[in-house]
Amino acid sequence: GDSVTQMEGPVTLSEEAFLTINCTYTATGYPSLFWYVQYPGEGLQLLLKATKADDKGSNKGFEATYRKETTSFHLEKGSVQVSDSAVYFCALSVYNFNKFYFGSGTKLNVKP
Amino acid sequence: ETGVTQTPRHLVMGMTNKKSLKCEQHLGHNAMYWYKQSAKKPLELMFVYNFKEQTENNSVPSRFSPECPNSSHLFLHLHTLQPEDSALYLCASSQDQGVPTGELFFGEGSRLTVL
Repeated sequence: GDSVTQMEGPVTLSEEAFLTINCTYTATGYPSLFWYVQYPGEGLQLLLKATKADDKGSNKGFEATYRKETTSFHLEKGSVQVSDSAVYFCALSVYNFNKFYFGSGTKLNVKP
Repeated sequence: ETGVTQTPRHLVMGMTNKKSLKCEQHLGHNAMYWYKQSAKKPLELMFVYNFKEQTENNSVPSRFSPECPNSSHLFLHLHTLQPEDSALYLCASSQDQGVPTGELFFGEGSRLTVL
């Protein structure tokens, strides 16, 4: 079945460090891929998305490239800030947008 | 403010109680969802409603009963729950007409504790 696997956290980094959060997927069709972010005490919100192979989604300095050959959608940021501390969820949707599959989330802690 | 409001934000109930969670969206969307968020587990899709019709029931136990009276409101009625049902319950909505954007808009969640 369709699923998403992302690296377990927590990930702890110092401010201005480089961030990578790995995400791989399994899908029977041609999925759209998403990263959502959940700040403390809030619901999830869309961070970025890519709808076809080789697309790059980007937002707020974060970016992720849809790699069909490796079935991956890794999240990267060149220089993290304390305000980036949150839980990050990788997700996919296949065929229609009524069914999303989420990973278990990766908690990011950024220290000053 | 995402346009999706959930109440109550926190709920503590005994196993024999009956309570309800409420979700309201002010975005004009036609699809609404209930998700369960437990620690260290993937978000679990529970129910999907499209134009007030239930289109997805992801093998959810009958002690959870959804209700969608219109496209803006979604309820989750709870009865005879178990302690393992303690979790954050998230409501979301999306636009499914025209060209879907694939973006879910989430509420802040209702933290449920079952004693």
